[in-house]
Amino acid sequence: GESVGLHLPTLSVQEGDNSIINCAYSNSASDYFIWYKQESGKGPQFIIDIRSNMDKRQGQRVTVLLNKTVKHLSLQIAATQPGDSAVYFCAENINNDYKLSFGAGTTVTVRA
Amino acid sequence: NAGVMQNPRHLVRRRGQEARLRCSPMKGHSHVYWYRQLPEEGLKFMVYLQKENIIDESGMPKERFSAEFPKEGPSILRIQQVVRGDSAAYFCASSLYENTEAFFGQGTRLTVV
Repeated sequence: GESVGLHLPTLSVQEGDNSIINCAYSNSASDYFIWYKQESGKGPQFIIDIRSNMDKRQGQRVTVLLNKTVKHLSLQIAATQPGDSAVYFCAENINNDYKLSFGAGTTVTVRA
Repeated sequence: NAGVMQNPRHLVRRRGQEARLRCSPMKGHSHVYWYRQLPEEGLKFMVYLQKENIIDESGMPKERFSAEFPKEGPSILRIQQVVRGDSAAYFCASSLYENTEAFFGQGTRLTVV
């Protein structure tokens, strides 16, 4: 079965608000996690990554939090904009392997 | 520096025909990965290739599917005798080294009618 999954399939957020997208994983050997954004008709686009020796990493308007105790990671998007509307995937990598395992995705819709 | 280029973007095939999907990695990248995405699902790993070598094909169906990455030219994912269940988006990614960031192409959307 899936080792990576997302808690909610859809998320509707008001423009300007913060978004939080959650992801659970089951394999404690996973040591590298990536968040991807996929817009309609396009390929996944790298947003931010985090290794298992960290619990937080920040990028431009995005923050990823990793809780290894409960095998959970989240993506926070600050001041969500219409251009943030997309499907967001978390992906994991085990033992620094090249193979990525993707969750099913959360569709984020930004309301004007 | 052009990104990963896939063609065609859309491909329609009748059941029983062959589908050939092409992927040109980013310049300088010699590691190529193919993923398949069924509707409303995440991407599933299919195969990992380096120039002229298949490194890992554990995600490829045992029959009808094959992949290559020749010394010259793009990587090709070939699906023989397509069936309706092959309808999906097929994404190619490339990386500079094996464990570095992989960049994805725009995908080929295969529809089998």
